[in-house]
Amino acid sequence: KAGVTQTPRYLIKTRGQQVTLSCSPISGHRSVSWYQQTPGQGLQFLFEYFSETQRNKGNFPGRFSGRQFSNSRSEMNVSTLELGDSALYLCASSLSPDSYYEQYFGPGTRLTVT
Amino acid sequence: DAKTTQPNSMESNEEEPVHLPCNHSTISGTDYIHWYRQLPSQGPEYVIHGLTSNVNNRMASLAIAEDRKSSTLILHRATLRDAAVYYCILLSSSNTGKLIFGQGTTLQVKP
Repeated sequence: KAGVTQTPRYLIKTRGQQVTLSCSPISGHRSVSWYQQTPGQGLQFLFEYFSETQRNKGNFPGRFSGRQFSNSRSEMNVSTLELGDSALYLCASSLSPDSYYEQYFGPGTRLTVT
Repeated sequence: DAKTTQPNSMESNEEEPVHLPCNHSTISGTDYIHWYRQLPSQGPEYVIHGLTSNVNNRMASLAIAEDRKSSTLILHRATLRDAAVYYCILLSSSNTGKLIFGQGTTLQVKP
């Protein structure tokens, strides 16, 4: 079974631009969670989608948004990029968001904002 | 969100067992205990999880204290590939899909 895939793997953007990252979950998985990893803040939860609905959201500004499609694939968007948005963005998929299901992570998208 | 406390770092010799402790004194009755690890330059990887009973899988064992206020991840024979940051995380039924990563324990494995 194929794992979680994320595209693109690397991205360089300029301050003020916007970016869209994509995540394809493991086949059959319907929950997708997004995380941001930086050296200073570590791994932080962004949001979680299940059945095309955002079920949970972390403490990030409104510039960070996401969506999930009917095939469970998910995208996240960051508008008006800031230097501090440079990070590794990880998505994880799970059969369901319930607490007894484990999450499987993709390799991440490395975003650099200049 | 219930918090977990782990040692910052631990060392082990290759092919010896490793016991990674985690304290979670404010755990609620429905919180699942999850363990993930992150190898250098990779995304986190699921290791094991449990609720009340001890659990075993091909990667590790999870020993949960009777009062559930602590748990221990056991790697039976550490290999160099097990060198990683290990995270103990409580997943709440009221906080769906949200893993809260602390600082974790950095495990060094010496040949």
